[in-house]
Amino acid sequence: GAVVSQHPSWVICKSGTSVKIECRSLDFQATTMFWYRQFPKQSLMLMATSNEGSKATYEQGVEKDKFLINHASLTLSTLTVTSAHPEDSSFYICSGVRGVDTEAFFGQGTRLTVV
Amino acid sequence: GENVEQHPSTLSVQEGDSAVIKCTYSDSASNYFPWYKQELGKRPQLIIDIRSNVGEKKDQRIAVTLNKTAKHFSLHITETQPEDSAVYFCAALEYGNKLVFGAGTILRVKS
Repeated sequence: GAVVSQHPSWVICKSGTSVKIECRSLDFQATTMFWYRQFPKQSLMLMATSNEGSKATYEQGVEKDKFLINHASLTLSTLTVTSAHPEDSSFYICSGVRGVDTEAFFGQGTRLTVV
Repeated sequence: GENVEQHPSTLSVQEGDSAVIKCTYSDSASNYFPWYKQELGKRPQLIIDIRSNVGEKKDQRIAVTLNKTAKHFSLHITETQPEDSAVYFCAALEYGNKLVFGAGTILRVKS
């Protein structure tokens, strides 16, 4: 299968600061990348969909000004959590797809802890 | 939009027994249904998937069945082993290539 690399794998930041998470597709061009958030003992909840060269589409209830997504190339998407607060602490996972109706390839995930 | 329900939320089986996890979906237009295994702190790992033009798919000890009319699909694990213990998620692909996940099932295989 294809490889999606996500960094960092974990990060601790102070309340009020911003954190950037990178998601790279290493051996394929991801036309679409998805960003999920997973709280402990819960399922993966889609936050936003990003397509290369266009603005991200956010799911209902997700603040687009707080979770900035950039998909500058077919191999890189970034999620920036701005002005992070403790309630933003979660496991963030990206996934990339190569085409329509195809398998999703997940990054390793990033454990964000805001103190 | 798509809604996926998954049952049971927890499942304990004895090593060697079979485990069955069931999911229902709401959008009849969905045509791709993957199953993922997730270990603590790790990424979801695709274990098997099925498309709507197929009723059953098997890969060694793992099988998935799909009933399009009833809009439900199931994961079957036979001869369970302790290393099968994990959280399992079903998902359905909706318009826009978005995966909608079930709530997850914690599977515990007792040795």
